[in-house]
Amino acid sequence: GAVVSQHPSRVICKSGTSVKIECRSLDFQATTMFWYRQFPKQSLMLMATSNEGSKATYEQGVEKDKFLINHASLTLSTLTVTSAHPEDSSFYICSARDRRFAPTDTQYFGPGTRLTVL
Amino acid sequence: KQEVTQIPAALSVPEGENLVLNCSFTDSAIYNLQWFRQDPGKGLTSLLLIQSSQREQTSGRLNASLDKSSGRSTLYIAASQPGDSATYLCAVRSSITGANSKLTFGKGITLSVRP
Repeated sequence: GAVVSQHPSRVICKSGTSVKIECRSLDFQATTMFWYRQFPKQSLMLMATSNEGSKATYEQGVEKDKFLINHASLTLSTLTVTSAHPEDSSFYICSARDRRFAPTDTQYFGPGTRLTVL
Repeated sequence: KQEVTQIPAALSVPEGENLVLNCSFTDSAIYNLQWFRQDPGKGLTSLLLIQSSQREQTSGRLNASLDKSSGRSTLYIAASQPGDSATYLCAVRSSITGANSKLTFGKGITLSVRP
């Protein structure tokens, strides 16, 4: 099956710093990428959806100036958490699909990035 | 607003048992439903995807069924093994176009299969 990678897998940073997480589709073209966050024992909550070459669409309650998303190519999307605070500590998961095959396409998920803000 | 519910939150069974995991959703106007597996601290692995026009999908020891009119799906696991221990998430896609093309997830069922 298709593979989505994320880097880094874990990051620890000080409060106030910015952290960038990369998401890559390794063997398919990700026309659409999604970013989720997951708190312990909770469901995945969609943060934003991005189509290649377009601005991301953020879900209600997600600060777009804090969570910067760039989907510059068909294989790479980045999430930058700006001025991170302890409450931003979470598990961030990216996902990708090739919408040219909708509606039968499967959404593929990355392995996740554990962010800890001290 | 679509809501997906998975009950119970956790399940423990002895090895070899056949089991059923349930998923319910509030809006029956879905395009497809997907079952995922998540191991602790890891991402999601897609297990089965059922289109709205389909009733079930099978892969190995897994069988997923969909009853769109009643807003329910079940994941059947035959002859469970300790390696099946994980959290199983159900997700529905409510639209295929534009910003509404997104999956809504349940909280998952954490399965433990005892040797």
